[in-house]
Amino acid sequence: SQQGEEDPQALSIQEGENATMNCSYKTSINNLQWYRQNSGRGLVHLILIRSNEREKHSGRLRVTLDTSKKSSSLLITASRAADTASYFCATDIQGGSEKLVFGKGTKLTVNP
Amino acid sequence: NAGVTQTPKFQVLKTGQSMTLQCAQDMNHNSMYWYRQDPGMGLRLIYYSASEGTTDKGEVPNGYNVSRLNKREFSLRLESAAPSQTSVYFCASSVWTGRYFGPGTRLTVT
Repeated sequence: SQQGEEDPQALSIQEGENATMNCSYKTSINNLQWYRQNSGRGLVHLILIRSNEREKHSGRLRVTLDTSKKSSSLLITASRAADTASYFCATDIQGGSEKLVFGKGTKLTVNP
Repeated sequence: NAGVTQTPKFQVLKTGQSMTLQCAQDMNHNSMYWYRQDPGMGLRLIYYSASEGTTDKGEVPNGYNVSRLNKREFSLRLESAAPSQTSVYFCASSVWTGRYFGPGTRLTVT
């Protein structure tokens, strides 16, 4: 089964609204990363949060990490049509040695 | 600075044919990776190379071979393509802050 699972699988919102995506994982991690993938393109790294961090910001992105619940959330504030993409969480497993494990992704649609 | 480049962008193979997917990065990264992405799935690691001269199996290595030609280049070879290998293939390189991905190769095996 997947190490990381995003929720919801799909999300549709209006421009200007906030979008929240969640990720749950099973085993202890060194860090958790979020990536964006536009249709037909490669993944783009958005943000990395270490296991000893609880919250991190980058522009309109806010990521939280709760290691006790083995979960993370990605919040995109004031969404834009250009934010339409799939978003993946990826966990760097402790002792995993280079094997970053990706979830199945959340498909976000921002309607203008 | 082109980042990670992959060739070809698209390929159609018949079952049993062979081909090599090429990947190069110009960021002087030590680690490079090959992933496949199937509909409704996350990325699955095929092989990786932590440094020049070393390669290791990932989650789904069967049916593939790799070569780390030098620090810049990491190729993926399908010796005898099967329909189950129809997928989008991504190469990536990394620093500790995260992975840098190429644009992908869309492979169809008929």
